[in-house]
Amino acid sequence: SQTIHQWPATLVQPVGSPLSLECTVEGTSNPNLYWYRQAAGRGLQLLFYSVGIGQISSEVPQNLSASRPQDRQFILSSKKLLLSDSGFYLCAWSAGDFSNQPQHFGDGTRLSIL
Amino acid sequence: AQSVTQLDSHVSVSEGTPVLLRCNYSSSYSPSLFWYVQHPNKGLQLLLKYTSAATLVKGINGFEAEFKKSETSFHLTKPSAHMSDAAEYFCVARSSNTGKLIFGQGTTLQVKP
Repeated sequence: SQTIHQWPATLVQPVGSPLSLECTVEGTSNPNLYWYRQAAGRGLQLLFYSVGIGQISSEVPQNLSASRPQDRQFILSSKKLLLSDSGFYLCAWSAGDFSNQPQHFGDGTRLSIL
Repeated sequence: AQSVTQLDSHVSVSEGTPVLLRCNYSSSYSPSLFWYVQHPNKGLQLLLKYTSAATLVKGINGFEAEFKKSETSFHLTKPSAHMSDAAEYFCVARSSNTGKLIFGQGTTLQVKP
């Protein structure tokens, strides 16, 4: 069966520091991968998605970037964090055929910027 | 543009009573629809999905949802609430154009003993 892992679960970082959040998927090949941010108030905002190695689409201009160095690895990064980057970050995967298959989410990373 | 509207931001029920969480969608095409549940500080877990097969969809943990095209609704129900059902619930549509997910704003379900 397929599983998705995110780490760390929680992170406290000072303003201006770098960021690296990692997400890996097991049990499937060539998945579509996604990064979302969920701010207080519940709504999910799609940040990035990837349909293959090295292929990244950005949904909103921001202080973050994403990379996909391997088929089942998706990394969210920042060179200098802002206070506004605080939030709950969720990684997700779906079958890479744009079918009706749902997205499956990791347990998320709670990021607090001080 | 496609959109998803969850009609209640907060629903409170007593344990053992039925649950109804309402969702309406707008779409020019037959959509793919999903319900997800999110417990505090956790990711979203898929409860059920509708993909143009049977209109009554059964999911995990006793939940089900009925797709009603005439009403553009996809309400989530459960005959008897359990304390462990207390969580945030999201109705989600998959865009037929882009394949991306369109989220409702969520409904907080409170279950009272």
